[in-house]
Amino acid sequence: DSGVTQTPKHLITATGQRVTLRCSPRSGDLSVYWYQQSLDQGLQFLIQYYNGEERAKGNILERFSAQQFPDLHSELNLSSLELGDSALYFCASSVGRESGNSPLHFGNGTRLTVT
Amino acid sequence: AQKITQTQPGMFVQEKEAVTLDCTYDTSDQSYGLFWYKQPSSGEMIFLIYQGSYDEQNATEGRYSLNFQKARKSANLVISASQLGDSAMYFCAMRGWNNQGGKLIFGQGTELSVKP
Repeated sequence: DSGVTQTPKHLITATGQRVTLRCSPRSGDLSVYWYQQSLDQGLQFLIQYYNGEERAKGNILERFSAQQFPDLHSELNLSSLELGDSALYFCASSVGRESGNSPLHFGNGTRLTVT
Repeated sequence: AQKITQTQPGMFVQEKEAVTLDCTYDTSDQSYGLFWYKQPSSGEMIFLIYQGSYDEQNATEGRYSLNFQKARKSANLVISASQLGDSAMYFCAMRGWNNQGGKLIFGQGTELSVKP
């Protein structure tokens, strides 16, 4: 058990809809990362938050947004969903802002299916 | 920009034998870290081993070792005495120590199948 909690485990929704994925990081970790895993794109970094502030941005679409709350949990909001957004979405956490030699600890992911 | 290349989409190994999973990387950062993760069919991402760019010795963690060749920019994972439970996807990843956050950049992965 990595200590990172993601909910829900599975989500099925229709095109055009909006969903929210939730993540609680490991106790003591201040950084939260979001990744998207799909068969054609592999594991893509979306965004990192550190202690409530956006720290780094990757290949995140404008239809997607995220935030980290004062209690350090994070939410990833996906709107105007398209079939191509179907993927496994991971949240990961680490202690620091840059994290040096520390690994990322991953949650079990949210499987999103857009129909 | 950083890039990780894993050229073996799939590999087979006999149980109890050793196997090497290839990983090459490209970066302009002077300092960086290399990581390997395992993803079983159940989907979770499990951290296996870490190697820092300035570490003089190859990292080892139990049956896992990392064959780090800095000049060749390669960081191959060696699994000794393969077990059926080692069947999974394996991802190589890197992080540059460049004040651009702690994200990891991942390769495309290698699917390892262990035969009894």
